[in-house]
Amino acid sequence: DTGVSQDPRHKITKRGQNVTFRCDPISEHNRLYWYRQTLGQGPEFLTYFQNEAQLEKSRLLSDRFSAERPKGSFSTLEIQRTEQGDSAMYLCASSLEVRDTSYNEQFFGPGTRLTVL
Amino acid sequence: QKEVEQNSGPLSVPEGAIASLNCTYSDRGSQSFFWYRQYSGKSPELIMFIYSNGDKEDGRFTAQLNKASQYVSLLIRDSQPSDSATYLCAVGGGSYIPTFGRGTSLIVHP
Repeated sequence: DTGVSQDPRHKITKRGQNVTFRCDPISEHNRLYWYRQTLGQGPEFLTYFQNEAQLEKSRLLSDRFSAERPKGSFSTLEIQRTEQGDSAMYLCASSLEVRDTSYNEQFFGPGTRLTVL
Repeated sequence: QKEVEQNSGPLSVPEGAIASLNCTYSDRGSQSFFWYRQYSGKSPELIMFIYSNGDKEDGRFTAQLNKASQYVSLLIRDSQPSDSATYLCAVGGGSYIPTFGRGTSLIVHP
C-alpha cells in the first residue's frame, strides 16, 4: 500500500449538480477524515469515521454534504446541489488510532480539487 | 472554539540560515502537536510531531513545545530552497481531531 489515494484528482462541475469523491485510506488505518481547504487557509475539518461509524461531523457542514464509509474501507463524500462557494480542495486523511494514546498522525491523500462554475 | 494561530508570512530566510516558525493554540487540553509541510498545489505532509514539553529533533528539524505558554515552534536548520513551502501547525485535543492553523509561507532564497 503506497498511501492514501483519492479520485478524481480534479472535478469541474456546474452549479446545482451533484458530485461524489472517493478516498481509499492506508489499508490498516481505522480512522478516515475529510477536510476542505481553500487558498491561504489550513485544512478545515468536515467529518471523520472510526471504522464504518461516522463519529463526528463539523457544525459548519451543510446538509448538502454527506459521507459514507461502508465496511470501514473506502469512503465517499457527496455534495448535492453544488454552489460556487464549494470550490475548494477536498482532502482525505487516514490514521491508526491506538487505544489510550494520544496518537493521531494523519496521512493525507493528494486531494480532489473541485471547481464549481 | 479551538484556535490555532500562525503568522501567514511570508517568512524569507537566506539559504543556510535557521528558519523559525511559530504557532500558538487556545485549548489547554491539547495533547498532540504536529507540523506539516505543504508545497503549492500538493497535500500536507507530516514532518514532525511532539507530545511532551521540550524539544524534539529529527535531522534538520527541531520541534519545541511549551504547554504552559501554549506555544509550539519548528526550527529548520541549514535551510534549503527545497524547504520553501507552507508549514501548517496542527493541534489535537482530547477528541484527537487536529485543528489546523492557516499556515506560514516560508521562502528560502539562494
